[in-house]
Amino acid sequence: EIVLTQSPGTLSLSPGERATLSCRASQSVSSGYLAWYQQKPGQAPRLLIYGASSRATGIPDRFSGSGSGTDFTLTISRLEPEDFAMYYCQQSGSSFTFGPGTKVDIK
Amino acid sequence: QVQLVESGGGVVQPGTSLRLSCAASGFTFSNYAMHWVRQAPGKGLEWVAVISYDGSNEYYAYSVKGRFTISRDNSKNTLYLQMNSLRAEDTAVFYCARARSGYSVFDYWGQGIPVTVSS
Repeated sequence: EIVLTQSPGTLSLSPGERATLSCRASQSVSSGYLAWYQQKPGQAPRLLIYGASSRATGIPDRFSGSGSGTDFTLTISRLEPEDFAMYYCQQSGSSFTFGPGTKVDIK
Repeated sequence: QVQLVESGGGVVQPGTSLRLSCAASGFTFSNYAMHWVRQAPGKGLEWVAVISYDGSNEYYAYSVKGRFTISRDNSKNTLYLQMNSLRAEDTAVFYCARARSGYSVFDYWGQGIPVTVSS
């Protein structure tokens, strides 16, 4: 099973700042099979990025994804108030697994 | 617009069974693989099961294999999850989710339905 590790566990930032979230896989994941989701309390997750770098429908361009192999990154260029949430990476190259999540909270 | 609405959750005793349903609308249900994903209270996301667009293939997480069965009725645009031999550790919010292409990413999610297994 491919294990995903996310860092940091919590990221405390102010609106307008840049957020950089990391996702590391225990073995190589094809870029086509790495996705990022946002989840707010009491809500279902929302797909942000698929194929490591493609934005899902309706996702603002301040969200971007990059990476390959075992190291992937989600970047939020300028945090808006609605971006403070939990973020999960997920791989579907070998079964389906999620990372433990990174919480982005207000500093 | 795409809508997925789960139902059938509740509070049950350990060892009993429960069937979840997910009613789909706003897209051609029979063209898409579908998943169940769960989230224990205060925890992260755990994939549970997937079924192919035509129901011919199913795959399960190790933690539920042999106890849970995923199925679908394309004539009713409905996805199911039959859960048997429920355990306390199955307590979670269960989400149905559509696969964007193939079996890959989950592009639309239902609102989730809570399942509590407790004596």
